[in-house]
Amino acid sequence: KNEVEQSPQNLTAQEGEFITINCSYSVGISALHWLQQHPGGGIVSLFMLSSGKKKHGRLIATINIQEKHSSLHITASHPRDSAVYICAVTSNFGNEKLTFGTGTRLTIIP
Amino acid sequence: DAGITQSPRHKVTETGTPVTLRCHQTENHRYMYWYRQDPGHGLRLIHYSYGVKDTDKGEVSDGYSVSRSKTEDFLLTLESATSSQTSVYFCAISKRGSSYEQYFGPGTRLTVT
Repeated sequence: KNEVEQSPQNLTAQEGEFITINCSYSVGISALHWLQQHPGGGIVSLFMLSSGKKKHGRLIATINIQEKHSSLHITASHPRDSAVYICAVTSNFGNEKLTFGTGTRLTIIP
Repeated sequence: DAGITQSPRHKVTETGTPVTLRCHQTENHRYMYWYRQDPGHGLRLIHYSYGVKDTDKGEVSDGYSVSRSKTEDFLLTLESATSSQTSVYFCAISKRGSSYEQYFGPGTRLTVT
């Protein structure tokens, strides 16, 4: 079992829909990261959180430390949101290892 | 955007040849990382650096070495490239380590034939 599991692996939705991507992890963590990778490869950090909730524009990230679960929500989705969304965690063992999920491929249809 | 460049951006090389990839930053961040990205595996840490001449191994370090002689440059060397090292390689930087935001370079696509 991977330390970081994302669901769904693929998601297709209509423009305007509310999107939820889930991330579950099995280790104690000091931080959880959400990243975005557009076709063509560039990776951008969206959020880094260790508790609670963060919001940036139409994107919201939440984390539940007790349940070892995080969600990334996109409100009023747009075709430009089409990308791969990657969850990653930093364990609390004090090393520098980031463990990544395999990503969720999101496609928003106009 | 964080000032991170990678060179080369694309490279095709033959099995058994040495290859060096360069990551250059203009942000003066302490931490630098090399990852590889492969279908079905996601991103995996190869090596990282926490300062000049200070480096450590990640989870897939076999066959790779690194050097950091200046704050701004982090080199990844494949001493004798193998086809299993065909991948996309990303460099990342962070001001304070992996519990803080990471900024990624544009990636290098390496093909070993």
